Amino acid sequence: DQQVKQNSPSLSVQEGRISILNCDYTNSMFDYFLWYKKYPAEGPTFLISISSIKDKNEDGRFTVFLNKSAKHLSLHIVPSQPGDSAVYFCAASLNNAGNMLTFGGGTRLMVKP
Amino acid sequence: GAVVSQHPSRVICKSGTSVKIECRSLDFQATTMFWYRQFPKQSLMLMATSNEGSKATYEQGVEKDKFLINHASLTLSTLTVTSAHPEDSSFYICSARYRTEANYGYTFGSGTRLTVV
Repeated sequence: DQQVKQNSPSLSVQEGRISILNCDYTNSMFDYFLWYKKYPAEGPTFLISISSIKDKNEDGRFTVFLNKSAKHLSLHIVPSQPGDSAVYFCAASLNNAGNMLTFGGGTRLMVKP
Repeated sequence: GAVVSQHPSRVICKSGTSVKIECRSLDFQATTMFWYRQFPKQSLMLMATSNEGSKATYEQGVEKDKFLINHASLTLSTLTVTSAHPEDSSFYICSARYRTEANYGYTFGSGTRLTVV
């Protein structure tokens, strides 16, 4: 039973445009969400997080939106750069007291020059 | 801050031998570390949660006698793959939890590519 899902295995975007990566979850108890970027044969790198008390968090080119009623979050990258090409994982945690992370399946983003 | 160092990055071993992977928190104390496994083109699957000074908690389907976890200090957790077989070949990643001002963060090691021949 996948509690965190990323339904798009891949996404291709032109450089300079917006990249939107989506993530859905089923467990309404999740209240802390994170996005990670991962290159092959490397560990994930933290990008941005959001607590369930917020619906938006922004950090530079990265913005995460959370829609609790729809159990949906998205990561917006704008403008997209070729260096953003990687696999992006969303992750969720049961209360932000720091329980284990449950990861989605990942979305491979390809930003074309 | 909040850096985790994982070694080795790559290891090739013969079937039947054991391999130890180390995960160190360099600039913070990690009371809790997590071990993940990633198969090609798949997500990170949690194997176990390692708490300093106590037994690890294993996820369903993970053999605790095969994947030995030791978290004897606040800066070091080790995963030993015992009697390795080719099907244990995978990418193993450790993660540590650290405290931020408002919440907790999770930082990851660079991973270990294990190949069992």
